[in-house]
Amino acid sequence: QVQLQESGPGLVKPSQTLSLTCTVSGGSISGSTYYWSWLRQPAGKGLEWIGRVFTSGSTVYNPSLKSRAAISIDTSNNQFSLNLSSVTAADTATYFCARGWAVAGCFDHWGQGALVIVSS
Amino acid sequence: DIQMTQSPSTLSASVGDRVTITCRASQSISTWLAWYQQKPGKAPKLLIYKASTLEIGVSSRFSGSGSGTEFTLTISSLQPDDFATYYCQQYNSYSGYTFGQGTKLEIK
Repeated sequence: QVQLQESGPGLVKPSQTLSLTCTVSGGSISGSTYYWSWLRQPAGKGLEWIGRVFTSGSTVYNPSLKSRAAISIDTSNNQFSLNLSSVTAADTATYFCARGWAVAGCFDHWGQGALVIVSS
Repeated sequence: DIQMTQSPSTLSASVGDRVTITCRASQSISTWLAWYQQKPGKAPKLLIYKASTLEIGVSSRFSGSGSGTEFTLTISSLQPDDFATYYCQQYNSYSGYTFGQGTKLEIK
């Protein structure tokens, strides 16, 4: 059973870069069947997709983030990471990593989520 | 961007009821539509993908239908564990993924 686990600082100062890592266990991060995504959810609000990375390293991002997001993949360690630059209080949210199923356009496995607060 | 609109935002129902949640897309998405269930403090759980295909392990009380711009999630005979927030999500190769605003299913 594939499991995903987010890790990283829970508090980030405004204007700095938010960095999170997702470790995948129970299956390989390599292959073309799946892609690996980051999503977020502010408290009490809905879900927002941030972007995705394929095993090849190619990425696609949500245009609303205005090029602040960067996702990378480390197949040797079965991990992928998110960097979100120039953060503000509006970036305070629970961040989820998830496995995307390429043929179905959905997310079939999720991490438990990591709360990141942007505050000085 | 493709916008997804769910209705209702809140739904009050009783155990044993049959309920339907609607999701409308701002443009046609064929059947690239998924439904998720989320409970407080937890990650979303995939219920249905490609509009009507039940994810393995999900109860057959959940069903999905629709194509193009209008979709529905139906839960037959509500059980206590079903009270949660439900989200629809679309996929488009140009604009990526967007979610509906959610429908909170409450116990009446």
